[in-house]
Amino acid sequence: AQSVTQPDIHITVSEGASLELRCNYSYGATPYLFWYVQSPGQGLQLLLKYFSGDTLVQGIKGFEAEFKRSQSSFNLRKPSVHWSDAAEYFCAVAAYGGATNKLIFGTGTLLAVQP
Amino acid sequence: KAGVTQTPRYLIKTRGQQVTLSCSPISGHRSVSWYQQTPGQGLQFLFEYFSETQRNKGNFPGRFSGRQFSNSRSEMNVSTLELGDSALYLCASSPAGTGANTGELFFGEGSRLTVL
Repeated sequence: AQSVTQPDIHITVSEGASLELRCNYSYGATPYLFWYVQSPGQGLQLLLKYFSGDTLVQGIKGFEAEFKRSQSSFNLRKPSVHWSDAAEYFCAVAAYGGATNKLIFGTGTLLAVQP
Repeated sequence: KAGVTQTPRYLIKTRGQQVTLSCSPISGHRSVSWYQQTPGQGLQFLFEYFSETQRNKGNFPGRFSGRQFSNSRSEMNVSTLELGDSALYLCASSPAGTGANTGELFFGEGSRLTVL
């Protein structure tokens, strides 16, 4: 069965420091992968997605993610974190290889940013 | 362009009651999905509708149901409410059913249901 694991429940970084949020997936074929962000009291917003092609994908707000098939990973990175990046981040994989819009989400990583 | 609109934003019900939540997708979007978000279970897929047809259903009891209208607006209903149904219910719309837009969901702010 498809699944997504985000091993870090909570991460704290200093403003201006780099950030990497980990995501591992389980899926037999080439997955459709996503990162979403949720600010308090808000819905989720798509940061970036990977379908195929270049394994390094760029997203909004200065985020990028790298797909590594050999490690079944899709880690999210940002070179310099801003206080406004404090939020919860969810990694997701499309069920059924993208045949529908059903997404399987990880449990999320809550990011805190220290001044 | 207006975003995804969910109503009501907050509601309180008692056990045994039923509730109906509404979702208006972004204009032109034909796919509407519903997710339940709780601290313990995280984000769980409820169902997806595309062109008024339920295309997928998650692993929830039959008390959870939904429908989509010809204008793509969607409703979900939960009957015989239980304490465990307290959650944030998120609706998301997508411009297409599959292809390049797969998984590119636009979420509403959610309906927060509290069951007492």
